[in-house]
Amino acid sequence: DAKTTQPPSMDCAEGRAANLPCNHSTISGNEYVYWYRQIHSQGPQYIIHGLKNNETNEMASLIITEDRKSSTLILPHATLRDTAVYYCIVRSSNSGNTPLVFGKGTRLSVIA
Amino acid sequence: DVKVTQSSRYLVKRTGEKVFLECVQDMDHENMFWYRQDPGLGLRLIYFSYDVKMKEKGDIPEGYSVSREKKERFSLILESASTNQTSMYLCASSPTGYGTEAFFGQGTRLTVV
Repeated sequence: DAKTTQPPSMDCAEGRAANLPCNHSTISGNEYVYWYRQIHSQGPQYIIHGLKNNETNEMASLIITEDRKSSTLILPHATLRDTAVYYCIVRSSNSGNTPLVFGKGTRLSVIA
Repeated sequence: DVKVTQSSRYLVKRTGEKVFLECVQDMDHENMFWYRQDPGLGLRLIYFSYDVKMKEKGDIPEGYSVSREKKERFSLILESASTNQTSMYLCASSPTGYGTEAFFGQGTRLTVV
């Protein structure tokens, strides 16, 4: 699976949009981009994933560049409960039976 | 609501004890995984299983074994617990297929004294 690069930490004001970048320049055509987050002392939680097109669900939006070498996770109105470590993971399309490989992620702090 | 349940949230064991960490999922997933998480080292894969009675070593299998006798249950066994196995242990499951997501349990914080 391709490697990803994320900033180690970011701050965001409560109520503002949090934009978390991820670089995956070596991604191949059959690899999805997944985002998970981990709130302190809990297990990681799935947020969203995408292949080429932008995706949106009740939690977040995922914007993938046209060349697929980078993506941005957007939390439209960040709250204090969104403070967590966010992981961007690239995973082969038919890899339900292969493990997620976690990097260091981005520690997002939402500030009141 | 889909669930991955780990048997204990906190556990304290003595050095040398045999320790069982249990994980049960109710989503009929084929694949199950065990990770450990330590400060500064992130999540590291210990073992995983893609079918009943099947197992594959992850990145750090030494000192651990696993058992998967039923599809819904995946057990992590510390044969002889040591203090360097003090950690947060996380279980996950996922279905086989394209673009599938994995679901995690809440974790077991194990302290070996």
